[in-house]
Amino acid sequence: ELKVEQNPLFLSMQEGKNYTIYCNYSTTSDRLYWYRQDPGKSLESLFVLLSNGAVKQEGRLMASLDTKARLSTLHITAAVHDLSATYFCAVDISDGTASKLTFGTGTRLQVTL
Amino acid sequence: KAGVTQTPRYLIKTRGQQVTLSCSPISGHRSVSWYQQTPGQGLQFLFEYFSETQRNKGNFPGRFSGRQFSNSRSEMNVSTLELGDSALYLCASSWKQGGPGYTFGSGTRLTVV
Repeated sequence: ELKVEQNPLFLSMQEGKNYTIYCNYSTTSDRLYWYRQDPGKSLESLFVLLSNGAVKQEGRLMASLDTKARLSTLHITAAVHDLSATYFCAVDISDGTASKLTFGTGTRLQVTL
Repeated sequence: KAGVTQTPRYLIKTRGQQVTLSCSPISGHRSVSWYQQTPGQGLQFLFEYFSETQRNKGNFPGRFSGRQFSNSRSEMNVSTLELGDSALYLCASSWKQGGPGYTFGSGTRLTVV
């Protein structure tokens, strides 16, 4: 059974600081997604990583995927308060015949002044 | 372009009742997946439908069922509601099985009392 572990579970960081969220998974997959969720809201897609070595950046967020290490990272640069939310990684083990995302536990990010 | 539409947004039901939730995917998307989100279990896959057929199912009891119509709209049904069924139910659509890329709706928050 696929297991997806995120760490840390909770991250309190000051504005302007950098930090990385880690997502480890237990089985082979070359599709990984990062989502953001604000309290009481749905999941907002941030990044779609589809191959080994994929790196994508949007604003202060950068995501990467290492399929050999079964590891994805979400790096936050110079955090701002607006980034406060819960971040989920999700591994896709679809084989083209059926879809299923397995989510990590989520990392609750709190950016303080 | 309209997003994924879920109705209703909020629902309060009594134990033992049944409930039906609806999801209209993005136009042109043919795959609809359902997820349950609870504070204790996190985000868990319920099932996926494509071309009116259930293609994949998560580890949920038979009280949870669903269907998809010819216009790709999907419904999920939960019978004999239990307190533990209180959750945010999210549906996601993609244009084909296996994505890539899944767009989530705003969710239906179900409270069982």
